[in-house]
Amino acid sequence: AQTVTQSQPEMSVQEAETVTLSCTYDTSESDYYLFWYKQPPSRQMILVIRQEAYKQQNATENRFSVNFQKAAKSFSLKISDSQLGDAAMYFCAYWGFQGAQKLVFGQGTRLTINP
Amino acid sequence: ETGVTQTPRHLVMGMTNKKSLKCEQHLGHNAMYWYKQSAKKPLELMFVYSLEERVENNSVPSRFSPECPNSSHLFLHLHTLQPEDSALYLCASSQDPFQETQYFGPGTRLLVL
Repeated sequence: AQTVTQSQPEMSVQEAETVTLSCTYDTSESDYYLFWYKQPPSRQMILVIRQEAYKQQNATENRFSVNFQKAAKSFSLKISDSQLGDAAMYFCAYWGFQGAQKLVFGQGTRLTINP
Repeated sequence: ETGVTQTPRHLVMGMTNKKSLKCEQHLGHNAMYWYKQSAKKPLELMFVYSLEERVENNSVPSRFSPECPNSSHLFLHLHTLQPEDSALYLCASSQDPFQETQYFGPGTRLLVL
């Protein structure tokens, strides 16, 4: 079964600085999707960024970018120019084409932005 | 309203009560999901519905009873819950069932006393 591991329960960063959140996963599949979701205090789970495994180019969405290392099964999220509104729980998730075809989530990283 | 909405946002119930959670999606999607988010645990998929038909039930106790009257609405009926059922219950939808990109509602925070 696929597993997703976020080894940093909590992270903090100064406003306007850059922070990287780590995620590793375990799978035997060659094609799959990876996601980062953001859950602010409002609890709304918001899709931040999506990466397709067959694409070598790292996905970017404005200030959010990923470092996808397929061989290492690593999928980190970089947030540039951190803003107070970025404070939230961040969840890494995996979805594979085979097997259960459902999202598998990590345990989350709580990100605090210091003004 | 846009996206996925859930009501109520907060619910406190006793173990003998019966209550229902409601989810509505305004995205024209064909699949809807219930997830449970407990403290310090990853999200757990509970149920998947495709065009009003249940396609997956992840070994969820029978005290949770889902209902999908149409492709836009999803309910989770609760009865004789236990304190360990206290959690955030999230609804999500996707264009097709078991699709990789899902859109979530704001959740219902449930406390069972």
